[in-house]
Amino acid sequence: QLVLTQSPSASASLGASVKLTCTLSSGHSRYAIAWHQQQPEKGPRYLMRVNSDGSHSKGDGIPDRFSGSSSGTERHLTISRLQSEDEGDYYCQTWGSGIVVFGGGTKLTVL
Amino acid sequence: QVQLQESGPGLVRPSETLSLTCSVSGGSIHSYSWSWIRQPPGEGLEWIGYVYSTGITNYSPSLQSRVTISVDTSKNQFSLTLRSVTAADTAFYYCARGDQNMEFWGQGTLVAVSS
Repeated sequence: QLVLTQSPSASASLGASVKLTCTLSSGHSRYAIAWHQQQPEKGPRYLMRVNSDGSHSKGDGIPDRFSGSSSGTERHLTISRLQSEDEGDYYCQTWGSGIVVFGGGTKLTVL
Repeated sequence: QVQLQESGPGLVRPSETLSLTCSVSGGSIHSYSWSWIRQPPGEGLEWIGYVYSTGITNYSPSLQSRVTISVDTSKNQFSLTLRSVTAADTAFYYCARGDQNMEFWGQGTLVAVSS
């Protein structure tokens, strides 16, 4: 069964870096994922696609501070030089065999 | 820039049918897939289903028996119908372009199920 697992929360200081992780279920290590950001009281925004080889492609207008990487069944989103506007929920999403799956989301707090 | 806008009633009675439309502007509805996603207040995202511009659909197994998604290429719109709603269907409903990289999202619309 295709499942994505995310830590419920993360925090980091203003100006620092944070690495969020999305873990694919066993047997799905070749799957790509997408990352979406949801700022408070707003709809989701597409950030990037992260492939199993670690390559990633960002959406239009996404700052260079956002990057993606992979390791085995883990897909990562790294945000550098954290700003207050980066606070919010981050969801990973994947797809396969006609279905789409979202992770439970990670709430990022910028201290 | 592609823009999506959800429209439809904000209140639906229990056991009735929820119907929403997503209007696409700034680009053609052809050659893409189009998704519906929902989010109960304070909770995470749940995929409902998607439709290709050809009309082919795929639905979430948990909602498949109650959902229909259709596309109207002449109007650059696609629609969601959810039958026999209960309070558990109260959520923000979003439309998006794509089933893999959901690159463009609507702003969402809140639908409450209540008598």
